[in-house]
Amino acid sequence: KAGVTQTPRYLIKTRGQQVTLSCSPISGHRSVSWYQQTPGQGLQFLFEYFSETQRNKGNFPGRFSGRQFSNSRSEMNVSTLELGDSALYLCASSATASLYEQYFGPGTRLTVT
Amino acid sequence: AQSVTQLGSHVSVSEGALVLLRCNYSSSVPPYLFWYVQYPNQGLQLLLKYTSAATLVKGINGFEAEFKKSETSFHLTKPSAHMSDAAEYFCAVSDPSSGSARQLTFGSGTQLTVLP
Repeated sequence: KAGVTQTPRYLIKTRGQQVTLSCSPISGHRSVSWYQQTPGQGLQFLFEYFSETQRNKGNFPGRFSGRQFSNSRSEMNVSTLELGDSALYLCASSATASLYEQYFGPGTRLTVT
Repeated sequence: AQSVTQLGSHVSVSEGALVLLRCNYSSSVPPYLFWYVQYPNQGLQLLLKYTSAATLVKGINGFEAEFKKSETSFHLTKPSAHMSDAAEYFCAVSDPSSGSARQLTFGSGTQLTVLP
């Protein structure tokens, strides 16, 4: 089975721009979660989607949003980018029946200049 | 609210020596606990998990961890370190009784260096 894929792997944007990151979960997995990883704040939960519905959201401003499509692929969007949004964005997928087997993708490295 | 504390942001061991990475958690309910490993420029890989069954959990690559409720700890060990174990290790907790069971709260990570 193919693992979780994230595109693009690297991205450079300018302050004020917006960005969309994509995540394709493992085939058959319907839950997708997003995390932000920075040297200062560590790994922080952004949101979780299941069957196209956002189930949980972390403590991030409204500039961070996401969605999930009927094929379980997910996107996250960050509008009005700030320097502090520079981070590794990780996506994880899990099967419906499992509450704890989450499989992470390699991440998208976003740099905001 | 849940939290995880990893004692020691950097740990160095000699090849063949015991690896011990410390993790203490805070949770108002019986938690699920996890250890993940992250190699440079990669995502997180699940090493092992505790989900309220056996308190001694064995994972991949020879790692194991013991859940000690009285000490609120979930330390990660490996009897003999290998050079390939050099990576960053994260302890994480989730609340299986809530609607956000898949929401992981991570510790700040421990960078493991293995010396030849």
